[in-house]
Amino acid sequence: AQSVTQPDIHITVSEGASLELRCNYSYGATPYLFWYVQSPGQGLQLLLKYFSGDTLVQGIKGFEAEFKRSQSSFNLRKPSVHWSDAAEYFCAVGVVTGGFKTIFGAGTRLFVKA
Amino acid sequence: SAVISQKPSRDICQRGTSLTIQCQVDSQVTMMFWYRQQPGQSLTLIATANQGSEATYESGFVIDKFPISRPNLTFSTLTVSNLSPEDSSIYLCSPLGQGANTQYFGPGTRLTVL
Repeated sequence: AQSVTQPDIHITVSEGASLELRCNYSYGATPYLFWYVQSPGQGLQLLLKYFSGDTLVQGIKGFEAEFKRSQSSFNLRKPSVHWSDAAEYFCAVGVVTGGFKTIFGAGTRLFVKA
Repeated sequence: SAVISQKPSRDICQRGTSLTIQCQVDSQVTMMFWYRQQPGQSLTLIATANQGSEATYESGFVIDKFPISRPNLTFSTLTVSNLSPEDSSIYLCSPLGQGANTQYFGPGTRLTVL
């Protein structure tokens, strides 16, 4: 069955430090991969997506993610975190099973300390 | 991406009553997904609705509890019936156009059941 694992429930980084959020997926075919962000009291915003081609994808707000097929991973990175990046981050995989749907990981909450 | 609106944005309901949530999209879409996000949790797919056909429900969700209507290609409703405190969640709709493979989300409806 398809699944997404985000092993870190929460992460705390200092403002200005680099960030990496981990994501592993399980899917038998070539995946559609996504990262979404949900700020407190806000809806879900798409940060970036990967379908094919270059395995390093750039997103909004200075985020990037790298697809590694051999590791079934799609980790999210940012070189320098800002306080406004504090939010919940969801990794997701799009699957095609008689139609398209998106399955979400449990999420990683990012705390940013001054 | 399409403009997605949901009504109401939040509501407080008594147990045993029902709440109907509306989702309006500013363009025609093929599929409409409804998700639930329980407090502190990730998104769980409730059902997928295509216009003119019955919704397809995920394991653990049934039509009697979560009836869905899809009268046209820009609108859908989700009703949460016979409410209990366990139904307190954020409910989000997510439209998907023909041939598309990226889901965007409405702002959500925050339901509190007393």
